[in-house]
Amino acid sequence: AQKVTQAQTEISVVEKEDVTLDCVYETRDTTYYLFWYKQPPSGELVFLIRRNSFDEQNEISGRYSWNFQKSTSSFNFTITASQVVDSAVYFCALSPSSGGSYIPTFGRGTSLIVHP
Amino acid sequence: NAGVTQTPKFRILKIGQSMTLQCTQDMNHNYMYWYRQDPGMGLKLIYYSVGAGITDKGEVPNGYNVSRSTTEDFPLRLELAAPSQTSVYFCASSPGQGSSETQYFGPGTRLLVL
Repeated sequence: AQKVTQAQTEISVVEKEDVTLDCVYETRDTTYYLFWYKQPPSGELVFLIRRNSFDEQNEISGRYSWNFQKSTSSFNFTITASQVVDSAVYFCALSPSSGGSYIPTFGRGTSLIVHP
Repeated sequence: NAGVTQTPKFRILKIGQSMTLQCTQDMNHNYMYWYRQDPGMGLKLIYYSVGAGITDKGEVPNGYNVSRSTTEDFPLRLELAAPSQTSVYFCASSPGQGSSETQYFGPGTRLLVL
């Protein structure tokens, strides 16, 4: 069975601080995909990143960066110099890539509040 | 290109009533999904479809039904609404290989069952 744990329920920071959102996963699959989605107060879900389990390179996109470590089953997300617009709930998700299962598993989400 | 659209945005149902949540995508995606999001929880998959005419159960299918007669549409049916079905419902679609691909979400339908 798959499991995604986002242990941080809520994080509160002041603007310009760096913040890291943790994601730990469990799976028996050797090949899988990991995702991060953002859900701003307006409620829609916005895709941020997709990572194949074979690709352990870290990725940077502007102020966002992701650290994928297969050895510790973690896929952490860092926002550098946070801004008020980053306030949202962030979800980590895990999907199998083979075996006929199409059921992704989402974590419970981390609510990030960035104060001005 | 509207992406994934859902109607209605908000609905109040009485216990025992039925309704259909509509979902349409214009990206010609084969895979479509219905999720529910309860407060403080992640998304739980209700049903999914890998193409027109093909549907399958997700983690929490009880109390719901779906159909997929066209590539574009994937309606979710609640037959006998119960308070436990109070939630926000999201429809999503993805191209190619299904859940390993990026999912594109609709804006959600907020349902309150009283």
